[in-house]
Amino acid sequence: DAKTTQPTSMDCAEGRAANLPCNHSTISGNEYVYWYRQIHSQGPQYIIHGLKNNETNEMASLIITEDRKSSTLILPHATLRDTAVYYCIVRVGGAAGNKLTFGGGTRVLVKP
Amino acid sequence: GAVVSQHPSWVICKSGTSVKIECRSLDFQATTMFWYRQFPKQSLMLMATSNEGSKATYEQGVEKDKFLINHASLTLSTLTVTSAHPEDSSFYICSARGSLNGEAFFGQGTRLTVV
Repeated sequence: DAKTTQPTSMDCAEGRAANLPCNHSTISGNEYVYWYRQIHSQGPQYIIHGLKNNETNEMASLIITEDRKSSTLILPHATLRDTAVYYCIVRVGGAAGNKLTFGGGTRVLVKP
Repeated sequence: GAVVSQHPSWVICKSGTSVKIECRSLDFQATTMFWYRQFPKQSLMLMATSNEGSKATYEQGVEKDKFLINHASLTLSTLTVTSAHPEDSSFYICSARGSLNGEAFFGQGTRLTVV
């Protein structure tokens, strides 16, 4: 699976949008971009994934650049409960995709 | 999303004893389950991948005789830490993936403390 690069940490203000960048310059054509988050002392939680089109669900939006070498996860209105480590992972999607390999992630602190 | 349940959520055991951790997929059949270990302030490290009815595939550096994995049914996998030592103290997390889609869902984790 392709490697991803994320900032180590970032702060954001409660109620504002949080934009989390991820670089994946070696991504292959059949690899999806997945985002998970891990709140302290819990298991990771799936957020969203996409291939090349932008995606939105009730939790977040995922913006993937046209060349697919980078993406941004957007939390539209950050709350204190969004404080977590956010992981950007690329892997082959569907049942053909195998293990999820976690990098360092971005530690996001939402401040009042 | 789908529900994956781990039990126990925390356990304290004496050095030299064995501990079993269960991972269940509650509302889907998990053809593949993954076991991770996470030390404080570090990311998740994959230990092994198991497919129902077959032997687990261990990542490099993980002792298969120490970390016994059983995936006997489509809803249950177990990880047994044998002859536990203080250095095995960690947060163990399982993940399950069903056959209908490729998404992986995680359990809440088990904090193991070996004293």
